[in-house]
Amino acid sequence: QKEVEQNSGPLSVPEGAIASLNCTYSDRGSQSFFWYRQYSGKSPELIMSIYSNGDKEDGRFTAQLNKASQYVSLLIRDSQPSDSATYLCAVSTFGSNYKLTFGKGTLLTVNP
Amino acid sequence: EAQVTQNPRYLITVTGKKLTVTCSQNMNHEYMSWYRQDPGLGLRQIYYSMNVEVTDKGDVPEGYKVSRKEKRNFPLILESPSPNQTSLYFCASSSPGGSTDTQYFGPGTRLTVL
Repeated sequence: QKEVEQNSGPLSVPEGAIASLNCTYSDRGSQSFFWYRQYSGKSPELIMSIYSNGDKEDGRFTAQLNKASQYVSLLIRDSQPSDSATYLCAVSTFGSNYKLTFGKGTLLTVNP
Repeated sequence: EAQVTQNPRYLITVTGKKLTVTCSQNMNHEYMSWYRQDPGLGLRQIYYSMNVEVTDKGDVPEGYKVSRKEKRNFPLILESPSPNQTSLYFCASSSPGGSTDTQYFGPGTRLTVL
């Protein structure tokens, strides 16, 4: 059974701080890794994807992947109240977004 | 506008009464998928389809059926709904390997089975 684990939170950070979200996965054959954001009552939306070890930056977001440790993280710099949402980690053994296995999500609250 | 649509958005029904939740996408995506989201359990995949007439089970397929007769449509069928199928359902589509690797999610269907 493939598992994706996330800290359930809630994670609370002050506005302007760095929010760090973590995810571990059990299947060593995993190839594709995604972070989705889901606002309350809304559908998930993709914010980052990463396929190789190292860091990938996109604006205030940085995804980090360490396949040896089976660990993927998301850093949000200069956190804003609008970043308050549930963040979902998703993993696939395919080289793309087929058959995603999702973690249960981490609720992030950014306090003004 | 590129989008995934689901209907109905909200549905209250009774045990055993067959229902269908429709999903349609206008992006010519090959891949479509159904998920259910439950508190404490997260998003779990029910069925997915790689293309027309090609479907396969996800992690929680029991009690559900799907069909993919047209590329744009991927309905979810509950032949005999039970209360444990009360959940929030999302349809998603994507075209892996294309210019974007994102799955586009529909707005969700909140189903209550009494």
